[in-house]
Amino acid sequence: AQTVTQSQPEMSVQEAETVTLSCTYDTSESDYYLFWYKQPPSRQMILVIRQEAYKQQNATENRFSVNFQKAAKSFSLKISDSQLGDAAMYFCAYRSGATSGTYKYIFGTGTRLKVLA
Amino acid sequence: EPEVTQTPSHQVTQMGQEVILRCVPISNHLYFYWYRQILGQKVEFLVSFYNNEISEKSEIFDDQFSVERPDGSNFTLKIRSTKLEDSAMYFCAARLGEQFFGPGTRLTVL
Repeated sequence: AQTVTQSQPEMSVQEAETVTLSCTYDTSESDYYLFWYKQPPSRQMILVIRQEAYKQQNATENRFSVNFQKAAKSFSLKISDSQLGDAAMYFCAYRSGATSGTYKYIFGTGTRLKVLA
Repeated sequence: EPEVTQTPSHQVTQMGQEVILRCVPISNHLYFYWYRQILGQKVEFLVSFYNNEISEKSEIFDDQFSVERPDGSNFTLKIRSTKLEDSAMYFCAARLGEQFFGPGTRLTVL
């Protein structure tokens, strides 16, 4: 069975600085997808970034980028130029590829990010 | 971004009562999901639904839970006899490609 681990329950960053959130996962599959979701106090789950396992290039979305290390099964999220609005819970998630027949997401326990003014 | 809506936003019920949580997925999505998040814990998969059938369910999804899409638009999660431990946020998601999550329903069982 696949597992997702987020070892940092809470992180803090100064406004305008850079922070990296860690995520590791375990799987025997070769085809899968990884995600970072943001959950602000409103509790809405918002997709931040997505990475296909078959792509070597790290995904980027504006100030958000990932460091995907497939061999190490590591998928960290880097937030550059942190803003007060980035404060939220961040969840790492795993989904198997299409050939598995399952599309359920497996989530980590989350990292609470605080942004200090 | 496409929107999935859920009603109510907050439901309070007495232990042992039945509750129905509603989700209106994006119209051309075919796959639907329910997830649960107990306060302070991770989001957990409950069930997936496709073509009016359950396609996958977790061990959490026992006989007190059921899902249906009664009118071709709403997608509902019913909890027959609520327990205190059912108190959680319940998220609906719809998929055409990736999953889009609704805003969640906070269920409080007293």
